[in-house]
Amino acid sequence: GQQVMQIPQYQHVQEGEDFTTYCNSSTTLSNIQWYKQRPGGHPVFLIQLVKSGEVKKQKRLTFQFGEAKKNSSLHITATQTTDVGTYFCAGRTNAGKSTFGDGTTLTVKP
Amino acid sequence: GAGVSQSPRYKVAKRGQDVALRCDPISGHVSLFWYQQALGQGPEFLTYFQNEAQLDKSGLPSDRFFAERPEGSVSTLKIQRTQQEDSAVYLCASSSRTGGNGYTFGSGTRLTVV
Repeated sequence: GQQVMQIPQYQHVQEGEDFTTYCNSSTTLSNIQWYKQRPGGHPVFLIQLVKSGEVKKQKRLTFQFGEAKKNSSLHITATQTTDVGTYFCAGRTNAGKSTFGDGTTLTVKP
Repeated sequence: GAGVSQSPRYKVAKRGQDVALRCDPISGHVSLFWYQQALGQGPEFLTYFQNEAQLDKSGLPSDRFFAERPEGSVSTLKIQRTQQEDSAVYLCASSSRTGGNGYTFGSGTRLTVV
């Protein structure tokens, strides 16, 4: 079945440094979504990408969908302590459900 | 309601006991999903409803797991004869028909089987 892999599993950065997490799917996706989960919390929707090569920005966050619609990335510029959490990508095929990766856990040292 | 509501928030069950987990989605959301999340892992798909129709139950681990959404709103996930490997957080999510705003997750039910 469909698999979604994320790297790295963990990332520790100094406040102010940049951060990137990568997501790869074994199959072509109709769309990809990104979520953030704070420690002890539940996943919160950040964004959805649909088009091949699409790039979207939310303040310091930049999301990209690959040309082949099989990979995606999330880049955070100048991390802050409020960025701490686990970032998940979720890839959706035409079958309807979304398959989540295992996430990248970001810690930020002030 | 304003968000997705799940109850109970925590459940401790003795091995072999049956449990029922409830999800009250956002009003008007036609799609409802159940996911299972183990510690340190991403949510794993269990089942999906569109209104009252269960369109995909391919993620249910065994026939001990059963989900229903009889009136197209509230959903219940039932686990019979619980086992230790069922211990996890069970997340419910809902979305609009188009899904363009992603899934809205509830706070989850943390199930511990002892």
